[in-house]
Amino acid sequence: AQSVTQLGSHVSVSEGALVLLRCNYSSSVPPYLFWYVQYPNQGLQLLLKYTSAATLVKGINGFEAEFKKSETSFHLTKPSAHMSDAAEYFCAVSYNQGGKLIFGQGTELSVKP
Amino acid sequence: DVKVTQSSRYLVKRTGEKVFLECVQDMDHENMFWYRQDPGLGLRLIYFSYDVKMKEKGDIPEGYSVSREKKERFSLILESASTNQTSMYLCASRPPGTDTQYFGPGTRLTVL
Repeated sequence: AQSVTQLGSHVSVSEGALVLLRCNYSSSVPPYLFWYVQYPNQGLQLLLKYTSAATLVKGINGFEAEFKKSETSFHLTKPSAHMSDAAEYFCAVSYNQGGKLIFGQGTELSVKP
Repeated sequence: DVKVTQSSRYLVKRTGEKVFLECVQDMDHENMFWYRQDPGLGLRLIYFSYDVKMKEKGDIPEGYSVSREKKERFSLILESASTNQTSMYLCASRPPGTDTQYFGPGTRLTVL
């Protein structure tokens, strides 16, 4: 079965430090890949998505992710963390345009002052 | 601006009660989804609908049913609530021909 794995259920960084949230997928064909963010007491909001164009995808709030087919990865990064980045982040995959989304387990990001 | 609303943010029900969770979108989207979110499990798809009166089972449909009588409204029904259905329930909608789903704020359901 197709799956998405997020390494680390909780990541803590200092304000101004690099943010790296890891996501790996299992697939023999290139999928569509997404990162969503959920702020406390809110629904999910799309951060960015990869749909077979450029492998480096830029999203909102300074986040970006790189699709690496050889590593079946789509890690999310931000050069400098801000307190407002504290949230839960979900990686998701779809295997056809407009198809079902399969979500990872989520990673909670904490940002220390 | 895209808007998906859910009828309640918090709900407390008793075991055996019939529970209705309502979701409304104002964007004329054909596709709508119900997920449940549990710690360490991410989001799991319960049911989805790609048109009025159409529904498809997701990955965990057991114990749930849905209704879509109008395009803008997608209801999730727990016929007889059980404690293992205590969870956060998220509704989403998606325009045709796109990948992006738009989520509501969620309903946190507690079944006692």
